[in-house]
Amino acid sequence: GAVVSQHPSRVICKSGTSVKIECRSLDFQATTMFWYRQFPKQSLMLMATSNEGSKATYEQGVEKDKFLINHASLTLSTLTVTSAHPEDSSFYICSAKRPGGPYEQYFGPGTRLTVT
Amino acid sequence: AQSVTQLDSQVPVFEEAPVELRCNYSSSVSVYLFWYVQYPNQGLQLLLKYLSGSTLVKGINGFEAEFNKSQTSFHLRKPSVHISDTAEYFCAVTSARSNDYKLSFGAGTTVTVRA
Repeated sequence: GAVVSQHPSRVICKSGTSVKIECRSLDFQATTMFWYRQFPKQSLMLMATSNEGSKATYEQGVEKDKFLINHASLTLSTLTVTSAHPEDSSFYICSAKRPGGPYEQYFGPGTRLTVT
Repeated sequence: AQSVTQLDSQVPVFEEAPVELRCNYSSSVSVYLFWYVQYPNQGLQLLLKYLSGSTLVKGINGFEAEFNKSQTSFHLRKPSVHISDTAEYFCAVTSARSNDYKLSFGAGTTVTVRA
């Protein structure tokens, strides 16, 4: 099966600092990756679509200068939360789409970000 | 645009009893439908998906779902639940005609299985 990893699984940072979250597809090349945000007891909200070698496409209302997404290779996408604030504390989940074949997104285990 | 409504926010159920989680979708075009399960502090795991063909879809862990186009529904069922089925369940939809592969998720249903 397809495996997607995220690192770190948990991170605590101080307000005003930046934090980077990595999303890797371990056994397939993902031309498209997605970043979601999930608040406690709520559903997943799509933040952006990350395409390898091009700029990410952000959903309406998501600040692209605050949530920097880089998809530098076919197996790695990163989300950097810049100048973090306590309201950025959330569970961030990435997913990757395997090119071709039956449509399916494979989800990472998530990263719990706490901004103090 | 597509949207999903999960009709039950919480479903308590006794072990070995059947369970049904209801999902209705809205779309002006044909769709692909998915059910995912999320255990605490984890990512999502695909239970099953409907892309085309037979409207009764069988997934992992004994789950199945039926696609009903006339009622725009995709309800998830399991005939006999286990304690380990306690989790959050999400229904999701995407357009079958779009190349953006974006998923729209329902609000989720919390299933709590009691002995």
